[in-house]
Amino acid sequence: AQSVSQHNHHVILSEAASLELGCNYSYGGTVNLFWYVQYPGQHLQLLLKYFSGDPLVKGIKGFEAEFIKSKFSFNLRKPSVQWSDTAEYFCAVNPYNQGGKLIFGQGTELSVKP
Amino acid sequence: DTEVTQTPKHLVMGMTNKKSLKCEQHMGHRAMYWYKQKAKKPPELMFVYSYEKLSINESVPSRFSPECPNSSLLNLHLHALQPEDSALYLCASSLTVQETQYFGPGTRLLVL
Repeated sequence: AQSVSQHNHHVILSEAASLELGCNYSYGGTVNLFWYVQYPGQHLQLLLKYFSGDPLVKGIKGFEAEFIKSKFSFNLRKPSVQWSDTAEYFCAVNPYNQGGKLIFGQGTELSVKP
Repeated sequence: DTEVTQTPKHLVMGMTNKKSLKCEQHMGHRAMYWYKQKAKKPPELMFVYSYEKLSINESVPSRFSPECPNSSLLNLHLHALQPEDSALYLCASSLTVQETQYFGPGTRLLVL
């Protein structure tokens, strides 16, 4: 079955620390890849996406992600986190020809200590 | 503008009530979605509409009934719900089913 795996359930960092959140998916065909963020009390927002081209994609608020096709991975990174980055982060995969089924990972809760 | 609006924001209903959730977008998107999200969990897909036709029903119980009156509107009719149906119901839209989905703020539903 198709699935998306996020390596960390809860990550706690101090401000200015670097962040890397892992995401792996199991689907052999072509996929579109996304990271969404859900700040406390707010709705899901798109952080960044990868459809094709340069495997290193940049998103909003200084986030970036790298698609490594051979590893079926799409890890999210940020060089220096801020307290305002405290949120739930979801990796999601939209496999081609699946009619729009967006498959989410279980989410990673990021807590940034001031 | 990537705004999806949902009404109401909050809804409390009894198990015998009938209510409806509404979702609207004016981005010209031709795909619209309903998701259910429990606390600290990812959204779970319920329904997909593509060009106003229901294309995916993820084995959702018949007490949930979707409707797409036109390309900008999506409704979710609720009847005889159970307490375990209490959740955040999210609407999303995308240009087509292969494009980026943009989410609304959701309706927080409590079934008593």
